[in-house]
Amino acid sequence: SQQGEEDPQALSIQEGENATMNCSYKTSINNLQWYRQNSGRGLVHLILIRSNEREKHSGRLRVTLDTSKKSSSLLITASRAADTASYFCATDWGGTSYGKLTFGQGTILTVHP
Amino acid sequence: AAGVIQSPRHLIKEKRETATLKCYPIPRHDTVYWYQQGPGQDPQFLISFYEKMQSDKGSIPDRFSAQQFSDYHSELNMSSLELGDSALYFCAGKTGAHMNTEAFFGQGTRLTVV
Repeated sequence: SQQGEEDPQALSIQEGENATMNCSYKTSINNLQWYRQNSGRGLVHLILIRSNEREKHSGRLRVTLDTSKKSSSLLITASRAADTASYFCATDWGGTSYGKLTFGQGTILTVHP
Repeated sequence: AAGVIQSPRHLIKEKRETATLKCYPIPRHDTVYWYQQGPGQDPQFLISFYEKMQSDKGSIPDRFSAQQFSDYHSELNMSSLELGDSALYFCAGKTGAHMNTEAFFGQGTRLTVV
């Protein structure tokens, strides 16, 4: 199956600390995307990293992609209580998938003030 | 900027009833995807459309059907509802199904079947 796995499943940290979430997948991909979801609400797009890219930054977010290991990581630096949410990675494996996304199981991040 | 609009935001139906969920993508987005997210689970792909034609199909029950209209909005029709259909239903859109770009999600429709 194309489904990815994320770890940890839950992460609890203090404000100001960094949070790292990892995602693994099983087949080759076109791109990998990270999304954030506040409790039961919509999915907010964070970053897209293409298969020929190794690292991308957006504000306090840094995403890496290692296609040889079929893994990605999301780093949130200097975390804030408002970063508390579930974070999902999702893979687009291109080809005949027509851009559909396969989501990992998500990491629940709790940032304590 | 306009985002992906889904309606209704909340829906309560009884078992065996029907429901219609609507999705209005961002202008010029010609590809629409539907996902189902059960409680505590990750979103699961249901079905997608590109230029008004079905492009891919996932784990969508036969009781569900969907289509994309000439103005690119999409509707997900659900019949003979079951308790297990209670979930958050998302649609997402992008320009060009094969483009290496992000998909933009709506806020979702929370369907509760009682």
